[in-house]
Amino acid sequence: DAGITQSPRYKITETGRQVTLMCHQTWSHSYMFWYRQDLGHGLRLIYYSAAADITDKGEVPDGYVVSRSKTENFPLTLESATRSQTSVYFCASSDILPGQGRNTEAFFGQGTRLTVV
Amino acid sequence: SQQGEEDPQALSIQEGENATMNCSYKTSINNLQWYRQNSGRGLVHLILIRSNEREKHSGRLRVTLDTSKKSSSLLITASRAADTASYFCATDRGSTLGRLYFGRGTQLTVWP
Repeated sequence: DAGITQSPRYKITETGRQVTLMCHQTWSHSYMFWYRQDLGHGLRLIYYSAAADITDKGEVPDGYVVSRSKTENFPLTLESATRSQTSVYFCASSDILPGQGRNTEAFFGQGTRLTVV
Repeated sequence: SQQGEEDPQALSIQEGENATMNCSYKTSINNLQWYRQNSGRGLVHLILIRSNEREKHSGRLRVTLDTSKKSSSLLITASRAADTASYFCATDRGSTLGRLYFGRGTQLTVWP
């Protein structure tokens, strides 16, 4: 299926466990992003990637690790989950418009609802 | 820190009325985008307005941009119950290619 997909949709994990959220896009977009969405905070950027093997921190990167060995995948790993990481996580992708120096619109996945108990 | 801030936080109207949401931002931008999020779903792009544009239309949506005031508004005309959703503005910061900064959103409820 074309588009951007996240897995799993729902996850419950225990404090201290490592958990990985998956994100896959079929468009070969250059940019990929991970956001978390919490009540009262809107969407906050965790990490983003401009291309394969290029990643950079966003606003709230602590406790998270990302990798991008392939253009289409951008997994997010919580190394040792904490209750404060209970949230809804969204992956997104966008591309660069040729010759215009700006991005296209961002396309979002359906989100992963993570609960850390 | 977030770049865009939407106002109001919540808006409740009747079907057929117009809904206006505002967004203020702090730094210069290349473009400003509006997104919609239905409950439990991901965000969906609605419209993009560039910094050299003042107004843009798409169906029942009208977006304005005032770069001197660093503000934008989203108008939904003749609203429908199906327009019930959260609406977010997102901006770039010119030099930071690719990144989008979102506000906290406006929750719009349209009553039938």
